[in-house]
Amino acid sequence: DIQMTQSPSSLSASLGDRVTITCRASQSLTVYLNWYQQKPGEAPKVLISSATNLQAGVPPRFSGSGSGTDFTLTISGLQPEDFATYYCQQNYKTPITFGQGTRLEIK
Amino acid sequence: QVTLRESGPALLEPTETLTLTCTFSGFSLASRGMCVNWVRQVPGKAPEWLALIDWNDDKSYSSSEWTRLTVSSDPPRNQVILTMTNVDPADTATYYCTRMKVPHYYGSKTYYNSFFDSWGRGVLVTVSS
Repeated sequence: DIQMTQSPSSLSASLGDRVTITCRASQSLTVYLNWYQQKPGEAPKVLISSATNLQAGVPPRFSGSGSGTDFTLTISGLQPEDFATYYCQQNYKTPITFGQGTRLEIK
Repeated sequence: QVTLRESGPALLEPTETLTLTCTFSGFSLASRGMCVNWVRQVPGKAPEWLALIDWNDDKSYSSSEWTRLTVSSDPPRNQVILTMTNVDPADTATYYCTRMKVPHYYGSKTYYNSFFDSWGRGVLVTVSS
């Protein structure tokens, strides 16, 4: 199985901050890495697919980068609605696997 | 508009078999590139992918749970069914079904360049004696 390791596991930040979450895969995914946001009581929602593709309706303050085994999700100018948990996911190979999550909290 | 809805028992006892149904609308599982996945999530933990069935009726399973899982589809009813045998309290979780679209055919059981674009609301399943 491809192991996905996210860091940090939790993060405190203030409104307007720029934050970066990283995800490392145990083998190359080329660019096939997705990012999801999950709020309490809700299902995850896709933000970015294939490392850099911002999904429709997702604010442009979210961006993704990376290839191979190392990927980042950046949020530029945190808004109140961004405080949530973020997961990376690979479906380059089955079994599909998720990172352990990064909980973003208000400082 | 794509919708998915999970249904199944809220409570089971250890060793019983869990049967979950995903009823979907807005797409056909027979359309090329379409897939339905089952994912579960223990509160406070990351989602865990369990199984996938695709438009060719190919199936893939979690490495850790494959001996207990069976995924199938009922095309006339637009349903995907997941069965999990011999449940344990560790299987207590919210179970989701999700849709995934593969934009091109890359080969059998190859699903990259896709993502979970729609999720059901989930069903909480508790295993307890």
